[in-house]
Amino acid sequence: AQRVTQPEKLLSVFKGAPVELKCNYSYSGSPELFWYVQYSRQRLQLLLRHISRESIKGFTADLNKGETSFHLKKPFAQEEDSAMYYCALRGTGFQKLVFGTGTRLLVSP
Amino acid sequence: DVKVTQSSRYLVKRTGEKVFLECVQDMDHENMFWYRQDPGLGLRLIYFSYDVKMKEKGDIPEGYSVSREKKERFSLILESASTNQTSMYLCASSLSGEVEAFFGQGTRLTVV
Repeated sequence: AQRVTQPEKLLSVFKGAPVELKCNYSYSGSPELFWYVQYSRQRLQLLLRHISRESIKGFTADLNKGETSFHLKKPFAQEEDSAMYYCALRGTGFQKLVFGTGTRLLVSP
Repeated sequence: DVKVTQSSRYLVKRTGEKVFLECVQDMDHENMFWYRQDPGLGLRLIYFSYDVKMKEKGDIPEGYSVSREKKERFSLILESASTNQTSMYLCASSLSGEVEAFFGQGTRLTVV
């Protein structure tokens, strides 16, 4: 079975502080992992995917197969990072995404 | 720019009504999805379709059905709406084999 766990419902930090949003997954094969973000009153959109190993808006995420984790990190949070973040998994050969329960990031000035 | 458009932003329906939620995408995507988004539960897949007239159940299909008569349109049907179907409904589409899913703006359905 495919499962994504985001243990934190809310993460509150001050501007300039480091941020780590946790994501753990359960899947027996080789998954593809993603982070999606939803800013206030905007539609859900892709932030980054593990296969591209890129940094988007200062965020990075490394797939750790040993720990089955895909945590999202940013060294210095900005107020505009406040949003709902969802970790998602796609299994090999599958077309559908399985989402975690989401973490709301609140960055205060 | 990929556009996924859901026909309504807000809907209020009565218990027992038959409800149709419509979704249209303009990028010739093979895959289309319906999710519901609830606080603390995240996004849960209701149904998805990978081709015209093809459909597969997601994780929570009970009380819902879908229709995909044309490639660009994917309809979610609540046969007899109930209050526990009050939720935000998100439609998404993707190209077959591609990883990125594009989402609509959502329909907030309230069943009273």
